[in-house]
Amino acid sequence: AQTIHQWPVAEIKAVGSPLSLGCTIKGKSSPNLYWYWQATGGTLQQLFYSITVGQVESVVQLNLSASRPKDDQFILSTEKLLLSHSGFYLCAWSPTINQDTQYFGPGTRLLVL
Amino acid sequence: GEQVEQLPSILRVQERSSASINCTYENSASNYFPWYKQEPGENPKLIIDIRSNMERKQIQGLIVLLDKKAKRFSLHITDTQPADSAMYFCAASDTGYQNFYFGKGTSLTVIP
Repeated sequence: AQTIHQWPVAEIKAVGSPLSLGCTIKGKSSPNLYWYWQATGGTLQQLFYSITVGQVESVVQLNLSASRPKDDQFILSTEKLLLSHSGFYLCAWSPTINQDTQYFGPGTRLLVL
Repeated sequence: GEQVEQLPSILRVQERSSASINCTYENSASNYFPWYKQEPGENPKLIIDIRSNMERKQIQGLIVLLDKKAKRFSLHITDTQPADSAMYFCAASDTGYQNFYFGKGTSLTVIP
C-alpha cells in the first residue's frame, strides 16, 4: 500500500526566514506529485506539479519554489517567507497510469509571524 | 486557468434529509471531476469522482451527476448523518490531469 508523509507536521517561522517542506511517497514508483496551499478556511490552490524526477511545473507563483530530487520526494521551499505564506500545505500524489485520482498527504501547518 | 464555482458555501440540513452541492466549470476540455471531504484539521479525503464519459455515479449514499453540456456537476448526499458534517470541495481537472482547480468549498452541517 502507498503511504505519503509530509514533514514537518507544523512550523512557526519568522517573516524573512527560509522554509523547506518535504513530502515522501512510499510504495509507488514514478508517481505524479503535487503541492497545494490552503489558507485557513479557504480553498485548495495548486502550486506545483511534477511527473518525473528533476521536472517541476509551476501553476501559481507565490514566491515559492519546488524541486523533485528523487522519484519519491518533493520539496517546497523559499528563501524568504512572507506573512501571506501562512496556511496549510498539502502534498498529493496520483498514479501515472490512471493519472487523475489524487490522494492527499497529512499536510504541514505553517504560521509565519 | 479553469474557474470552478461551487454553491452553496454554507449548507445546513436536518439529519436523514438530502444535501446537494453544485459546481460549474468553464473549460469544456475538463474531463475529471473529484469530490473531497475535509474535516477540521485534517487533509481532504477523496469520497467520489466522475469522469467525462459518465453522467451519473453512485457510491452508497453519494451520488454525482455530470452535465457536460451545461458544464455542471453536483454531489448529492442522501440520508445525511451528523458524521457527514464537514467541508466539501469539488474540483475539475483538465486534459492530461496535470492541473486541478478546486471550488471554494461548502460547509455542510447536519443537524441531529
